Amino acid sequence: AQTVTQSQPEMSVQEAETVTLSCTYDTSESDYYLFWYKQPPSRQMILVIRQEAYKQQNATENRFSVNFQKAAKSFSLKISDSQLGDAAMYFCAYRAGRSEKLVFGKGTKLTVNP
Amino acid sequence: DSGVTQTPKHLITATGQRVTLRCSPRSGDLSVYWYQQSLDQGLQFLIQYYNGEERAKGNILERFSAQQFPDLHSELNLSSLELGDSALYFCASSVGQVANYGYTFGSGTRLTVV
Repeated sequence: AQTVTQSQPEMSVQEAETVTLSCTYDTSESDYYLFWYKQPPSRQMILVIRQEAYKQQNATENRFSVNFQKAAKSFSLKISDSQLGDAAMYFCAYRAGRSEKLVFGKGTKLTVNP
Repeated sequence: DSGVTQTPKHLITATGQRVTLRCSPRSGDLSVYWYQQSLDQGLQFLIQYYNGEERAKGNILERFSAQQFPDLHSELNLSSLELGDSALYFCASSVGQVANYGYTFGSGTRLTVV
């Protein structure tokens, strides 16, 4: 079964600094998708960024970028120029290409200090 | 506002009771997914419907059932409730049968069983 591991239950960063959240996954599939979701205190799950496994280029969305290491099965999220509004739980998620469900990690709570 | 509407936002009920959670997907989306988020289990996939038909089933208990109606809204029915069913229940939607671009989540229904 596919599993997603987020080894950092909590992280903190100073405003305007950069932080990297870690995620590893276990799969025997070759076709899959990876996602980072943000859950602020409002509890809404918000898609931050996605990566297709067949693409070698790392995805970027404004201040958010990923470091996708397929051989290592690693998918870390880098947040640059951190803002107070980035404070939230961040969940890494995996979806096999032929599956409908997302498998989520346990999450990392990010605190942004002013 | 994500466009996915879940009602009610909060629900408190007693053990042994039955409740119905409702979800209206984003306009144009044909797939509806239900997830349960609890402190011990994290985010768990329950079930998916696509255009009225059950498409995939995850860790959904026999006491739980769901359906998707012709207008594409979905309902999740939880019966013989137990204390352990207390959780945040999310609905999500996507256009197609598989969510290559990730889901759009609603803001969830917080269920408390007392």
